Parts: sequence; structure tokens; C-alpha cells
Amino acid sequence: QLQLQESGPGLVKPSETLSLTCTVSGGSISSSSYYWGWIRQPPGKGLEWIGSIYYSGSTYYNPSLKSRVTISVDTSKNQFSLKLSSVTAADTAVYYCACSGSSFALAVPIWGQGTLVTVSS
Amino acid sequence: SYVLTQPPSVSVAPGQTARITCGGNNIGSKSVHWYQQKPGQAPVLVVYDDSDRPSGIPERFSGSNSGNTATLTISRVEAGDEADYYCQVWDSSSDHLGAVFGGGTKLTVL
Repeated sequence: QLQLQESGPGLVKPSETLSLTCTVSGGSISSSSYYWGWIRQPPGKGLEWIGSIYYSGSTYYNPSLKSRVTISVDTSKNQFSLKLSSVTAADTAVYYCACSGSSFALAVPIWGQGTLVTVSS
Repeated sequence: SYVLTQPPSVSVAPGQTARITCGGNNIGSKSVHWYQQKPGQAPVLVVYDDSDRPSGIPERFSGSNSGNTATLTISRVEAGDEADYYCQVWDSSSDHLGAVFGGGTKLTVL
């Protein structure tokens, strides 16, 4: 059973870089069956896709965030990471790591529990 | 970029049928996925690829997709179905490939 767990600072200062890591258990991050991604949800608001990465290294980013986002994979640790630069209060949100499966037509059947990141000085 | 439009809220009495719509330009040509999110919890996939259900999701949850509207139908609504529901597609119609979520619909069980 594939499981995901986010980790990283819960508080980030404005203009700094938000960094989160998602640890994958119960399966290999190198599998060709999955896309690994990040989705966020500002308090009281809806879901926003940030971006995804395929095991080959191909990345896909939300155009509205593309200039500030980097998603990468560390196969040796079975982890993938999110970096979001130049953050502002508008980036305050619960950040979910997620797994999209080709057998689910790229829907997201597996989510991490989510981690709240607050941008504040 | 591709836009998905959902009604902000839908209300239904227990035992009745709830229908939540998701509008998008020619959405019938895309695979639509639906998620249920309860307060303080991560979303749960309830319907994928328009009308398929992951294991463990009751048959009361069904989906359809045609033309410019996709619909999530919840039959015999129960109090425990009260939640926010989001539709989602992958959009490759622009100059990039990316996931798009609808704004969400709050289902209230009266």
C-alpha cells in the first residue's frame, strides 16, 4: 500500500524559499506507473495544483507558479521535493504531496496527510 | 488556461439524490475525476475517468461526462456525505500539460 508523508518547516519568512519533502513508502518512486506531485489549499479555499514530476524527470508546472517552482526526485531516498521561491503571504496553505496513477487515468488516488505552511515574518 | 466551473453549494435531504456539476469547454473529451474532502482531511478520490470508482467507494457515487458538463451523482445521500467536492482534469489543450481543479462544491445534507 503506497503511502506519502510530507515534511518541512511550518513557518517561512516572506521572500524566502519554501522547501518540502515527501517520503514515499510501500512502493518505488522510480516506478513508471506514477506521477509525483504537489497540490496546495489556502485556508478556507479550494485546491490548486502546483506541479508534477514523472520518474523520467519530466516536470509539469502550474503556469501561474512556474517561475518560482522546482520539483525534483531523489531516488536514493525514495523522496521527492518541492521548492517555491520568493514566497509571500499568498503562499500560506496546506501543502499535499500526491501520487497520480496511470491506471487511474492520472487521477490522484493517494494523498499525503498535508502540512500547513505559514508565510510570516 | 482551462477553467472548470462548479456551483458553490448544493443542498439535499437525506435519502435523496445529489447532483454536482462541473462545467468546462468540451469537457466531454477529457477524463474527469472527483474528490471528496471533509474538514481537516485530505481529499479522497471517489470517481475517476468520468465514471469509475476506486475500491472501497460505495456504488452510490457515480459520474457522467458529456458535452460541456460532467456530473457527480450521489444516490441515497447520507449525513456522512456532507463535504466539499472537487472535479479535476488534466489539460493538454494549451501549450502545456497540467492538472486543473474546479472551485469546489459544498454539499449540505439537510
